[in-house]
Amino acid sequence: DGGITQSPKYLFRKEGQNVTLSCEQNLNHDAMYWYRQDPGQGLRLIYYSQIVNDFQKGDIAEGYSVSREKKESFPLTVTSAQKNPTAFYLCASSIDPGAGQPQHFGDGTRLSIL
Amino acid sequence: QKEVEQNSGPLSVPEGAIASLNCTYSDRVSQSFFWYRQYSGKSPELIMSIYSNGDKEDGRFTAQLNKASQYVSLLIRDSQPSDSATYLCAVNRDGYKYIFGTGTRLKVLA
Repeated sequence: DGGITQSPKYLFRKEGQNVTLSCEQNLNHDAMYWYRQDPGQGLRLIYYSQIVNDFQKGDIAEGYSVSREKKESFPLTVTSAQKNPTAFYLCASSIDPGAGQPQHFGDGTRLSIL
Repeated sequence: QKEVEQNSGPLSVPEGAIASLNCTYSDRVSQSFFWYRQYSGKSPELIMSIYSNGDKEDGRFTAQLNKASQYVSLLIRDSQPSDSATYLCAVNRDGYKYIFGTGTRLKVLA
């Protein structure tokens, strides 16, 4: 079945530690996204990528980094510079956002501080 | 003014009633509009996409778009307790970015 796979489902970060969240899709979508959702709030865009080897900062990119070496993969690293990382992280993809196609989401990763 | 605004709710409706969820957006150039359902602790799931003025129906769901008034709504007919969730409105404004509202929490009372 085609879809977006995020792992792990739950992740705990120690003080000063970088952690990486995985996002893999087999939908052949060019565009991929990372969002952060805090309780009772909407989705805030962290980074997005339109094609391989290219990505742009979203509204809250500070303390995060990404790479897009393969079409299928868009990992997100939460660095120690992100002082309040506890949130629900969502990866999404779209086949053609420029043509107004919708996004589809993975199941999410819940990150907490130890 | 937020780019996409929704009433946070909760909106409570009895089982079998019509639930009406509303969303307004600020940027007139927005072309594509989406409704997502998000159950507590889960990721958003696409329910409807709408691109033209008027109504679009899919089963018990009807999306309505009025670009002149800059609002989009979602009607859920014959509401069921399983429809209880947060409904997110999203707008594709300039091609690659999607702007989300904070969501309306719907409670369907059995």
